[in-house]
Amino acid sequence: GQQVMQIPQYQHVQEGEDFTTYCNSSTTLSNIQWYKQRPGGHPVFLIQLVKSGEVKKQKRLTFQFGEAKKNSSLHITATQTTDVGTYFCKSGAGSYQLTFGKGTKLSVIP
Amino acid sequence: NAGVTQTPKFQVLKTGQSMTLQCAQDMNHEYMSWYRQDPGMGLRLIHYSVGAGITDQGEVPNGYNVSRSTTEDFPLRLLSAAPSQTSVYFCASSPQPDSNTGELFFGEGSRLTVL
Repeated sequence: GQQVMQIPQYQHVQEGEDFTTYCNSSTTLSNIQWYKQRPGGHPVFLIQLVKSGEVKKQKRLTFQFGEAKKNSSLHITATQTTDVGTYFCKSGAGSYQLTFGKGTKLSVIP
Repeated sequence: NAGVTQTPKFQVLKTGQSMTLQCAQDMNHEYMSWYRQDPGMGLRLIHYSVGAGITDQGEVPNGYNVSRSTTEDFPLRLLSAAPSQTSVYFCASSPQPDSNTGELFFGEGSRLTVL
């Protein structure tokens, strides 16, 4: 499977601040998926991006897929304590070996 | 609809013991997989299956066996547990054989400690 690098590994923000995590690949991805894992929980699917330059929004969350389909980002506007958790990206690229990034752990200080 | 069910939720083993982590899904998904999650390492694929009777190795298969005799079940076997296998294990399934596009549905996880 294709390797994806995710940065940063950790992010601490004050409640109300914005947050962004990035997922990068050295090769072109067929699609990218994003998952959220709450502390002590299991990963839950958030969204999938397929098209070059695609932008999708879910309330305060904005997901982007790069024009070259080699990178993606998840941006949260005005974080809340409910946003706490680890965010993972997952690549899809012609293989059943589905590769996850190492995740960005978000802490929100009230 | 139960989704993906994993048992047990917690298990403590001694080095050298064997055990099986159970995974069952009731969504008729063709694709099933096992991941382990360790601090700072993300989710690493152990084994996966694209249908009954078919299994293949993932990124970290050593020390683990799997089988897929039915669409619903995908057990993970540790034949001789080692402390390095202390981890949280997740089973996940997907509705599409070409799971590049299918979202993964995860079980709640099994926390394994090997002493």
